[in-house]
Amino acid sequence: DIQMTQSPSSLSASVGDRVTITCRASQGISNYLAWYQQKPGKVPKLLIYAASTLQSGVPSRFSGSGSGTDFTLTISSLQPEDVATYYCQKYNSALGTFGQGTKVEIK
Amino acid sequence: EVQLVQSGAEVKKPGESLRISCKGSGYSFTSYWISWVRQMPGKGLEWMGRIDPSDSYTNYSPSFQGHVTISADKSISTAYLQWSSLKASDTAMYYCARVYDSSGPFDYWGQGTLVTVSS
Repeated sequence: DIQMTQSPSSLSASVGDRVTITCRASQGISNYLAWYQQKPGKVPKLLIYAASTLQSGVPSRFSGSGSGTDFTLTISSLQPEDVATYYCQKYNSALGTFGQGTKVEIK
Repeated sequence: EVQLVQSGAEVKKPGESLRISCKGSGYSFTSYWISWVRQMPGKGLEWMGRIDPSDSYTNYSPSFQGHVTISADKSISTAYLQWSSLKASDTAMYYCARVYDSSGPFDYWGQGTLVTVSS
């Protein structure tokens, strides 16, 4: 099975900061990579798919990049409403494995 | 409007059986796979398996194969997740999600069903 590893597991940043989360696949997955946001007590929400395509309605401060094994999610200017746990997910095969999550907090 | 509506919270005893449901509406139910995702208390998302409602073909994560059964009834646009013998470790929130483009990301999610297993 392909494993998905995110880093860091948590981070604390100030409002307005640029935040970057990394996701690494144990084998190449082309661009079959999605990012989800889960706010506390809420249902996960699709942010980005195909590594860099923003889902409709998602603020433009979110962006994704990468291909193969290394991917990043960037929040260009962190806002209070971005407090959440972020998950990457590969979908290049039948197994839709998630990363372990990155918890983002406001400093 | 696409919606996935899941059945309500359940409290069960170890050894009991359970089936929870996920009803799709607002789209062609047989055109999109449905996946199930587990989230244990305070933990991350775990993909359990998926079903093609058009023919009930399934794929399972190795971690869940043999422990749960995923099924669907396309006549009522509903997918199911079931256990034959629950354990305390099955206590978790369970989400269904629509799989975009047959093997893509999960674009719509159900509201979640909390399953509590306790003696």
